[in-house]
Amino acid sequence: KAGVTQTPRYLIKTRGQQVTLSCSPISGHRSVSWYQQTPGQGLQFLFEYFSETQRNKGNFPGRFSGRQFSNSRSEMNVSTLELGDSALYLCASSSSYSPPDTQYFGPGTRLTVL
Amino acid sequence: AQSVSQHNHHVILSEAASLELGCNYSYGGTVNLFWYVQYPGQHLQLLLKYFSGDPLVKGIKGFEAEFIKSKFSFNLRKPSVQWSDTAEYFCAVNAGTDKIIFGKGTRLHILP
Repeated sequence: KAGVTQTPRYLIKTRGQQVTLSCSPISGHRSVSWYQQTPGQGLQFLFEYFSETQRNKGNFPGRFSGRQFSNSRSEMNVSTLELGDSALYLCASSSSYSPPDTQYFGPGTRLTVL
Repeated sequence: AQSVSQHNHHVILSEAASLELGCNYSYGGTVNLFWYVQYPGQHLQLLLKYFSGDPLVKGIKGFEAEFIKSKFSFNLRKPSVQWSDTAEYFCAVNAGTDKIIFGKGTRLHILP
């Protein structure tokens, strides 16, 4: 089975711009979670989708949003980028969300905001 | 609020030394517990998990973890580390909700 894929792998943006990141889960997985990873904060949960519905949301501002499509692929969007948004954004898929089971992580998208 | 604490941010050991990485969580109810590992340049991957049953859980690559409910802990252990165990280790907890909370990670550096 192919693993979780994320595109693009690297992005450089400037403050004020917006960005869209994409995640394709493992075939058959319907739960997709997004995390922000930074050296100081570790992995912080952004949100989770299951069957096109947002099931959980972390403590991030409304500039961070996401969606999931009928094929389980997911996108996250960050608007009005700030320097502090520079991070590795990880997507993880799972076969279930309640209770959450093993998460399979993608390689991440490295976002740099200048 | 639920939280996960990993006490050691950076650990340096020599090969063949024994390893114990601490993980504590704050939640009094039923928990599901995970340890993930991120080797240099690789994806995060599951080392082991505990949902119920025997509190001593064995994972891949010789790792094990013990769930001690009274101490709210899920420490990771390995009796003899190898240079290839150099990685960052994350403890994660699902505590009564449908989301998983990760600790900030412990960077383990093994000296050859």
